[in-house]
Amino acid sequence: GQQVMQIPQYQHVQEGEDFTTYCNSSTTLSNIQWYKQRPGGHPVFLIQLVKSGEVKKQKRLTFQFGEAKKNSSLHITATQTTDVGTYFCAGPQGQVTNAGKSTFGDGTTLTVKP
Amino acid sequence: DAGVTQSPTHLIKTRGQQVTLRCSPKSGHDTVSWYQQALGQGPQFIFQYYEEEERQRGNFPDRFSGHQFPNYSSELNVNALLLGDSALYLCASSLVGGLGTDTQYFGPGTRLTVL
Repeated sequence: GQQVMQIPQYQHVQEGEDFTTYCNSSTTLSNIQWYKQRPGGHPVFLIQLVKSGEVKKQKRLTFQFGEAKKNSSLHITATQTTDVGTYFCAGPQGQVTNAGKSTFGDGTTLTVKP
Repeated sequence: DAGVTQSPTHLIKTRGQQVTLRCSPKSGHDTVSWYQQALGQGPQFIFQYYEEEERQRGNFPDRFSGHQFPNYSSELNVNALLLGDSALYLCASSLVGGLGTDTQYFGPGTRLTVL
């Protein structure tokens, strides 16, 4: 079945340093979503990428979807302590329908030293 | 605008018991998906309900069943609980009829502990 892998599993950075997490799918994705889960919280939707090679920015966060639509990345510039949490990517399984079920990676947990 | 709500927040059960978890979707949403999130892992898809029917199902045994009501709220039932069922159970709602997107909004989850 479809697999979604994320690296690294953990990342510890000093506040102000940059951070990048990578997501790779075993199959081509129709779209990819990114979520953030704070410790003790639930996943919160950040963004969805649909087009091949798409790049989207949200303030200090930059999201990229690969040309082959099998990989994606999330880059945070100048991390802050508020960026702490686990970042998940997720892709719909199978053909795109509005009822598509999502396969999640196991996430990258970011800790930031003030 | 009410977000996704789930109840109860926490639950402790013993092996062999049965449990029912509840979810109310975000206002205006008609589709509910259930996920199981074990500690240190990403959410795993259990099943999805739309128009009161199970529309998609992940790799979970028949002990996991669900229901959707006419008001779009949903229940997840787990029978014959095992220790391995201990996890955070997340409900996510979405809207069918969008532009092919799968944007989901998650509830706060129910933390189930099986002793």
